[in-house]
Amino acid sequence: GAVVSQHPSRVICKSGTSVKIECRSLDFQATTMFWYRQFPKQSLMLMATSNEGSKATYEQGVEKDKFLINHASLTLSTLTVTSAHPEDSSFYICSASPIQRMNTEAFFGQGTRLTVV
Amino acid sequence: KNEVEQSPQNLTAQEEEFITINCSYSVGISALHWLQQHPGGGIVSLFMLSSGKKKHGRLIATINIQEKHSSLHITASHPRDSAVYICAVSGNQFYFGTGTSLTVIP
Repeated sequence: GAVVSQHPSRVICKSGTSVKIECRSLDFQATTMFWYRQFPKQSLMLMATSNEGSKATYEQGVEKDKFLINHASLTLSTLTVTSAHPEDSSFYICSASPIQRMNTEAFFGQGTRLTVV
Repeated sequence: KNEVEQSPQNLTAQEEEFITINCSYSVGISALHWLQQHPGGGIVSLFMLSSGKKKHGRLIATINIQEKHSSLHITASHPRDSAVYICAVSGNQFYFGTGTSLTVIP
């Protein structure tokens, strides 16, 4: 089956620094990638949708200047948490879809656990 | 009200028990997904359904589009099945249930 690789799986960073998380589709071209955030014991929350070559669409309440998303190629999207603070500590997950719609098969990365100290 | 409701929220079962997790949704969808999240957070996509039934090993997923309901069954459960199972639906956007935490006791 299709594989989405997310890296790193865990990261600890100091408050005020930036962290980049990569999401790669390994065996298909992903015109659309999604970024989610999960707080402890809560369901996944969609943060943004990125389409290759265009600006990401952010969900209401998600700061686009804080969570920078780049989808420069059909196999790679990156999420950069800028000037991280302890409240940004969370589990971040990406998913990728092979065609430019959300109502289709999506493949999930393994997630990145971010801890800001 | 959540667009996707799962039940039960928590489930403890003895090894070998037959397990059912239910998911109801209130929005129009193109597909329903069952996801498995192990401690530590990694998510695995188990099934994507748009109609009928799918089986993979000891896992069976069914969906009734008219009733907007899906079930995930685990036959002959095993401690390694202990995880959080998440139902998600996709249509105009993704909606996620809050998950069912399953613990299978030896």
